Amino acid sequence: DAGVIQSPRHEVTEMGQEVTLRCKPISGHDYLFWYRQTMMRGLELLIYFNNNVPIDDSGMPEDRFSAKMPNASFSTLKIQPSEPRDSAVYFCASSRLGTEETQYFGPGTRLLVL
Amino acid sequence: GENVEQHPSTLSVQEGDSAVIKCTYSDSASNYFPWYKQELGKGPQLIIDIRSNVGEKKDQRIAVTLNKTAKHFSLHITETQPEDSAVYFCAANAGGTSYGKLTFGQGTILTVHP
Repeated sequence: DAGVIQSPRHEVTEMGQEVTLRCKPISGHDYLFWYRQTMMRGLELLIYFNNNVPIDDSGMPEDRFSAKMPNASFSTLKIQPSEPRDSAVYFCASSRLGTEETQYFGPGTRLLVL
Repeated sequence: GENVEQHPSTLSVQEGDSAVIKCTYSDSASNYFPWYKQELGKGPQLIIDIRSNVGEKKDQRIAVTLNKTAKHFSLHITETQPEDSAVYFCAANAGGTSYGKLTFGQGTILTVHP
């Protein structure tokens, strides 16, 4: 069974550019989570969805960040405009209804903003 | 909100020795405590978890203990092997209706020397 799929795996962009990260959750999972990992702040939750609806976006750093889940098998995290301090590894995770706390992570997207 | 503290930040052991990593949490309503292993360039992998209705759980060479009164839980790895070398993260979920929301510790870099 395929795990969480993320693309791209690596992204290098220049400050001010728009960045779009993509995630496909595990089939049959109802929850999708976006995390950011940095040396300074560790692993922090940005936003999560239940049945494609955003439930909690209190971790989204600022208005430059937005996330969507148009259907059960696809989500995007967009940064516009990007800044060097956005450089991090972004992970997507998914889980089933009833055990939403048991989360399975994707391989991550390593973002570098120059 | 929940606060999770993890110790030590680095741990070095000889192959065959045991390794113990400890975490404390702040939210008494937390009831789910997973442990993740992260290898270089990969996403966190769920290795074991425990719920608040049990005090200990074991899976081959790894075990987790939970002390709800003291609000701390620990990961125990016995007979360590070089392939156990990785970063280990503990986490705790939020109480109330946000039980899918995980807060992570800062991680422990475990090195197992052959």
